[in-house]
Amino acid sequence: ILNVEQSPQSLHVQEGDSTNFTCSFPSSNFYALHWYRWETAKSPEALFVMTLNGDEKKKGRISATLNTKEGYSYLYIKGSQPEDSATYLCAFTGNQFYFGTGTSLTVIP
Amino acid sequence: DSGVTQTPKHLITATGQRVTLRCSPRSGDLSVYWYQQSLDQGLQFLIQYYNGEERAKGNILERFSAQQFPDLHSELNLSSLELGDSALYFCASSEAGWYTFGSGTRLTVV
Repeated sequence: ILNVEQSPQSLHVQEGDSTNFTCSFPSSNFYALHWYRWETAKSPEALFVMTLNGDEKKKGRISATLNTKEGYSYLYIKGSQPEDSATYLCAFTGNQFYFGTGTSLTVIP
Repeated sequence: DSGVTQTPKHLITATGQRVTLRCSPRSGDLSVYWYQQSLDQGLQFLIQYYNGEERAKGNILERFSAQQFPDLHSELNLSSLELGDSALYFCASSEAGWYTFGSGTRLTVV
């Protein structure tokens, strides 16, 4: 089982602040890196994906960077809003699909 | 509505029993993925099907099996259920690496 690690575990920011989270993953057998937003009692919602060949798709106000050689990705949220409060999961696709444990974001109005 | 349909939403059953969870992917998506989220663990990948064929296997127990039918819906069969199988089971379908999740089936084994 591969480790996909996310930090911080939780984060509280003020409305309007920009924030970012980190995901580290194995750099071998990389195919794609995904970011998801997961609200309580809902299903994960795809925010960003980047594949090995550089194809990228994203949704909303987020942006992300990816370093496949060193195995990390940053997710950026600019101008956080209270509705951005959720758990943000990253997932690594190699020969399987591995999720990190998430970063819980709370945006304080 | 994400377009990925899972039924039932909730299921309560006794230890030793067998249940079937059902997933219909988004129209046009050929892949179906199954995931398990237990209380003490994050999301774990179980198995992937693509156009009726098993494509990848994750941490799926031997007591669990899945299949994808010609109409592309998929079923996850869980047998000889144990208390520890209580979890939220998600399915997802994908197009070009963009995954869409269903709302999940919450299984409670008592």
